[in-house]
Amino acid sequence: QQQVKQSPQSLIVQKGGISIINCAYENTAFDYFPWYQQFPGKGPALLIAIRPDVSEKKEGRFTISFNKSAKQFSLHIMDSQPGDSATYFCAASKGSGGGADGLTFGKGTHLIIQP
Amino acid sequence: DTAVSQTPKYLVTQMGNDKSIKCEQNLGHDTMYWYKQDSKKFLKIMFSYNNKELIINETVPNRFSPKSPDKAHLNLHINSLELGDSAVYFCASRGTSGMENIQYFGAGTRLSVL
Repeated sequence: QQQVKQSPQSLIVQKGGISIINCAYENTAFDYFPWYQQFPGKGPALLIAIRPDVSEKKEGRFTISFNKSAKQFSLHIMDSQPGDSATYFCAASKGSGGGADGLTFGKGTHLIIQP
Repeated sequence: DTAVSQTPKYLVTQMGNDKSIKCEQNLGHDTMYWYKQDSKKFLKIMFSYNNKELIINETVPNRFSPKSPDKAHLNLHINSLELGDSAVYFCASRGTSGMENIQYFGAGTRLSVL
């Protein structure tokens, strides 16, 4: 049973455009929702995270939108740049930073920004 | 200075062998994890370890065992390696940054079982 569903699997966006990746979760006990960015040959790195008590969080060009009633959250990358090309993972956990059970990840989105 | 370091970066071995992957964090964190990333890039938690308390994902075969000689290290031992164990294994540690706990990942160990 996949507890965090992520879409799309791959995404191509023109430079300067908006990249949007969506996730849905099932476990209502989750209370921490991070997005991780992974470049080839590297480990995942935290990009931005949100708690369910807010509906939106913005850091630079990256914004998380959160809909608690729908159990959905999404990542928006504004003014997408070729350097943003990477694999993006949404995740969820009980407890900030992963808690005792660790992070439950979505299957990832391979994002390509075309110059 | 790398916060979470894993060795080796690449590991090629034969089926049936026993191997270990080392992980060290210099962040002073209390909680460490092992994740497995399969060929489709799906990341799945294997273990978490905090203050000698081990939480095991029930789907992990008992051929896999984490060993923590001290708070800064969480090594992964794998016995009787199988073809299906081929994957990238990531170590992570969790600590506080500002108001939040954050998980930091190592660069991964790519295990190939032949």
